[in-house]
Amino acid sequence: GENVEQHPSTLSVQEGDSAVIKCTYSDSASNYFPWYKQELGKRPQLIIDIRSNVGEKKDQRIAVTLNKTAKHFSLHITETQPEDSAVYFCAALDFGNEKLTFGTGTRLTIIP
Amino acid sequence: NAGVTQTPKFQVLKTGQSMTLQCAQDMNHEYMSWYRQDPGMGLRLIHYSVGAGITDQGEVPNGYNVSRSTTEDFPLRLLSAAPSQTSVYFCASSSPDRVGDTQYFGPGTRLTVL
Repeated sequence: GENVEQHPSTLSVQEGDSAVIKCTYSDSASNYFPWYKQELGKRPQLIIDIRSNVGEKKDQRIAVTLNKTAKHFSLHITETQPEDSAVYFCAALDFGNEKLTFGTGTRLTIIP
Repeated sequence: NAGVTQTPKFQVLKTGQSMTLQCAQDMNHEYMSWYRQDPGMGLRLIHYSVGAGITDQGEVPNGYNVSRSTTEDFPLRLLSAAPSQTSVYFCASSSPDRVGDTQYFGPGTRLTVL
């Protein structure tokens, strides 16, 4: 089955700086890669996703890049703000088997 | 739309007890799933369903049963609770036939097994 590794597990960034979280996946058949943000005590919420026919996608301060050859994808947050503090999860999906596999999460702390 | 709802929000069980975690959605989503979330381990898929009458196992199905008699409901049953099942459980659903579309999570159930 799919295995998703996520790094780093914790990340502290000065407010205004950029944050990068990286994930690798094992199954070359995976073709959909969402990112979720989870605030303390709340449910995960989708913040951005990318499909395998796209190399990069951007939504305001958030961007995701995908390298299919290397089987890794990354989340980039620019101009970080205190409300970006949360746990972020990457995930990978093979549309063929409908199973979404999550990374172990990154706790991002924005330092004011 | 209420979205995805889960009950109860909190539950304490003794080892060996059984219970059902309820999950319902009112978005006419075909795909529903159950995850458990443990510290440092992300979300792990327990069971999922691609439509009424169809269920399948995820990554960690042992000790759990599911059924999908209607599109709206997807209950998760713990047959004989064990301390290892202490976790936060999330139900999720997604648009008609593809989990790849936006997946909506319920608010979660925090379960403690003593």
